[in-house]
Amino acid sequence: AQTVTQSQPEMSVQEAETVTLSCTYDTSENNYYLFWYKQPPSRQMILVIRQEAYKQQNATENRFSVNFQKAAKSFSLKISDSQLGDTAMYFCAFSLGTSYGKLTFGQGTILTVHP
Amino acid sequence: NAGVMQNPRHLVRRRGQEARLRCSPMKGHSHVYWYRQLPEEGLKFMVYLQKENIIDESGMPKERFSAEFPKEGPSILRIQQVVRGDSAAYFCASSTGTSGPETQYFGPGTRLLVL
Repeated sequence: AQTVTQSQPEMSVQEAETVTLSCTYDTSENNYYLFWYKQPPSRQMILVIRQEAYKQQNATENRFSVNFQKAAKSFSLKISDSQLGDTAMYFCAFSLGTSYGKLTFGQGTILTVHP
Repeated sequence: NAGVMQNPRHLVRRRGQEARLRCSPMKGHSHVYWYRQLPEEGLKFMVYLQKENIIDESGMPKERFSAEFPKEGPSILRIQQVVRGDSAAYFCASSTGTSGPETQYFGPGTRLLVL
């Protein structure tokens, strides 16, 4: 079975600064996908970024980028130029590269951006 | 293009009653996933359905819980004889399912409170 671990229950950052959220996972499979989802106070789940394990290049989406270390089974999220609207719970998630994508989530990290 | 719709957004039930949660996937999506989020925890996979078929229900409690996705109409998650431990947020997600683990788009969730 796959597991996802987020070791930082809470993080905080000043507006406009950079913050990195950690995620590690465990799997014996070689074909899989990794995701970061954001859950703001509204509790809507919003996809932030997605990484295919077979791709060497780290995914980026505007101010969001990942550091994917496949050998170390690490998948951290970097948020640059943090904004107040980034305040949310962030979940790391894993999906096998099978015909459908059942997600396994980590415990989440609460990120607070301070003005 | 409307997103994933869930209703009701909030549901209060007394112990022993039935809860019915509805999910309408995004237009063009024929794959539906249900997840449960207990307080202060990450989301846990419950069941994966395609139209008229349950594909994977490995995360569904064996008793009292059932799910369906009929040919016409929304997907339904049904909880019979609810207990206080069923209080949680229930999220539905949908995907096209055309190839590989397509990105899942989440609905706003249904918050179930069992008194």
